Amino acid sequence: SQQGEEDPQALSIQEGENATMNCSYKTSINNLQWYRQNSGRGLVHLILIRSNEREKHSGRLRVTLDTSKKSSSLLITASRAADTASYFCAKGDFGNEKLTFGTGTRLTIIP
Amino acid sequence: NAGVTQTPKFQVLKTGQSMTLQCAQDMNHEYMSWYRQDPGMGLRLIHYSVGAGITDQGEVPNGYNVSRSTTEDFPLRLLSAAPSQTSVYFCASRTYLAGGLNNEQFFGPGTRLTVL
Repeated sequence: SQQGEEDPQALSIQEGENATMNCSYKTSINNLQWYRQNSGRGLVHLILIRSNEREKHSGRLRVTLDTSKKSSSLLITASRAADTASYFCAKGDFGNEKLTFGTGTRLTIIP
Repeated sequence: NAGVTQTPKFQVLKTGQSMTLQCAQDMNHEYMSWYRQDPGMGLRLIHYSVGAGITDQGEVPNGYNVSRSTTEDFPLRLLSAAPSQTSVYFCASRTYLAGGLNNEQFFGPGTRLTVL
């Protein structure tokens, strides 16, 4: 079963606007990762945030983690048409080699 | 580096046929895994391996077999294909950290399988 649940399921915004996607989970984690998938392609790793971290940045990407609320958010600033893709969060548990993926947010950037 | 490669890209099978999906990586990663992706379901783990000779089941292992004879290769075998196995299959690899810690996974381009 999917432990990571993204919200919203789909998001359409104008180019240049910021996009925020959220991920909730149910059990304690070691780390949480975000991946991007362009249509018909494999997943590409974006950011990994560990349970003792609260915020990480990578270029136009900002990820936050609130372990007390069991939630994470991915912010994409100054969106571009090339950001159109599906975004997945993936939860890594303690003492467990597996990653559990959510169902994804489909982001569409309108030029 | 080629990264993670998968063959074939597309495959159509008839119910009851068997086949092997190939996966190879050239990054010397210990950990390799197979996922299937279905609409609205995200990715679900089928099998994984933490090194040559070691495999384990994921969330949806029924109907699939794996083996890991080398670090580079991790083939997925469908024993008797069923329409429910129609899906997109992704192979992934990463370095293996002690204590079950996770890190960045590298994904292959996927195999789109249709079972009639």
